[in-house]
Amino acid sequence: DADVTQTPRNRITKTGKRIMLECSQTKGHDRMYWYRQDPGLGLRLIYYSFDVKDINKGEISDGYSVSRQAQAKFSLSLESAIPNQTALYFCATSDPGTGGTDTQYFGPGTRLTVL
Amino acid sequence: ELKVEQNPLFLSMQEGKNYTIYCNYSTTSDRLYWYRQDPGKSLESLFVLLSNGAVKQEGRLMASLDTKARLSTLHITAAVHDLSATYFCAVPQDPSQGNLIFGKGTKLSVKP
Repeated sequence: DADVTQTPRNRITKTGKRIMLECSQTKGHDRMYWYRQDPGLGLRLIYYSFDVKDINKGEISDGYSVSRQAQAKFSLSLESAIPNQTALYFCATSDPGTGGTDTQYFGPGTRLTVL
Repeated sequence: ELKVEQNPLFLSMQEGKNYTIYCNYSTTSDRLYWYRQDPGKSLESLFVLLSNGAVKQEGRLMASLDTKARLSTLHITAAVHDLSATYFCAVPQDPSQGNLIFGKGTKLSVKP
């Protein structure tokens, strides 16, 4: 089974709808991240969380909110979706550990289309 | 504000040739990450470079880090078609935190 899973994998929605993307991990990592990927722009950080009580905004948090329900679960919400939020969304996890590399491990992605 | 720039953004190579992808970043960092992304797939970690002068190699790929020049290179030796993918470098925005700033990626196409 995959260590980092995302649901749904694909979603088409309409402008103004509320959407939630979910991420679960079995790696036991405290740190979790949400990114979006747009063609030619690389990955941009939306929100990140270093533990259940710690939520931080990334580069492009406007229009998004998150919830860290447990160590293993981190959800991303679009309260009122708009077409320019059409993108590929990735969840990632990491664990700095002691002398660790803090490498981020990515989920399979969710392709979101807002019409 | 940390900026991470990769070049080239597109690279078409013939099999058997060598080439280098460059990653420049604008503020001090003692670590850098390289990822690979196949079309339609997720990102896979390739290398983590943790100090000045660090060099990592796996197969036909070798990555190095020069923290003084704020430069990392990803060298491809004797390219093969299976290396066709998009390669990203990423740098932590804050050394004490894990949030990464990614370059825009280098799309590599290796042709027979």
